[in-house]
Amino acid sequence: AQTVTQSQPEMSVQEAETVTLSCTYDTSENNYYLFWYKQPPSRQMILVIRQEAYKQQNATENRFSVNFQKAAKSFSLKISDSQLGDTAMYFCAFIPNFGNEKLTFGTGTRLTIIP
Amino acid sequence: ETGVTQSPTHLIKTRGQQVTLRCSSQSGHNTVSWYQQALGQGPQFIFQYYREEENGRGNFPPRFSGLQFPNYSSELNVNALELDDSALYLCASSPTGATPYEQYFGPGTRLTVT
Repeated sequence: AQTVTQSQPEMSVQEAETVTLSCTYDTSENNYYLFWYKQPPSRQMILVIRQEAYKQQNATENRFSVNFQKAAKSFSLKISDSQLGDTAMYFCAFIPNFGNEKLTFGTGTRLTIIP
Repeated sequence: ETGVTQSPTHLIKTRGQQVTLRCSSQSGHNTVSWYQQALGQGPQFIFQYYREEENGRGNFPPRFSGLQFPNYSSELNVNALELDDSALYLCASSPTGATPYEQYFGPGTRLTVT
């Protein structure tokens, strides 16, 4: 069974600063996908960024980037130039590259951007 | 916007009652998954349907059941409601032939059991 751990229940940062959210996971699979999802107060889960485990290059999407350390089973999210609209719950999630498309989520990090 | 809608937005039920939650996916999305998100927790996988057949189930009792219809809509039914069933219920749909990451989430239904 896969597990995803987010050890930071809450974080806050000043607008325009950089923040890093941590995530570790445990799996015996060699091929899988990792994701960061954002859940604002509107509740709609929005995909922020994804990483395919067989790709060594870290994924980037505009101000969002990840630090993927496969051997350490670590997958952190860096948000640069943080904006007020980044305030939300952030969930790290895992899915194996086979079988049904079941996402396993962490418990989330509540991120607050301070004006 | 993901094109996935859910109804109702909020719902209050009494312990022991039954509830039906609905999800409408985009045309061509043959896979739908349901998740339960308790307050302060990450979503937990309930089950998945593919072309109207159950295609995987999480650690939830049989009183959680589902249906998927040919018109890309689906239902989550919960019988004999318990207080611990109070949560946000999310559905997520995937296009036919999609890679695993293409899950589109709806805004959820907030269920409160009293």
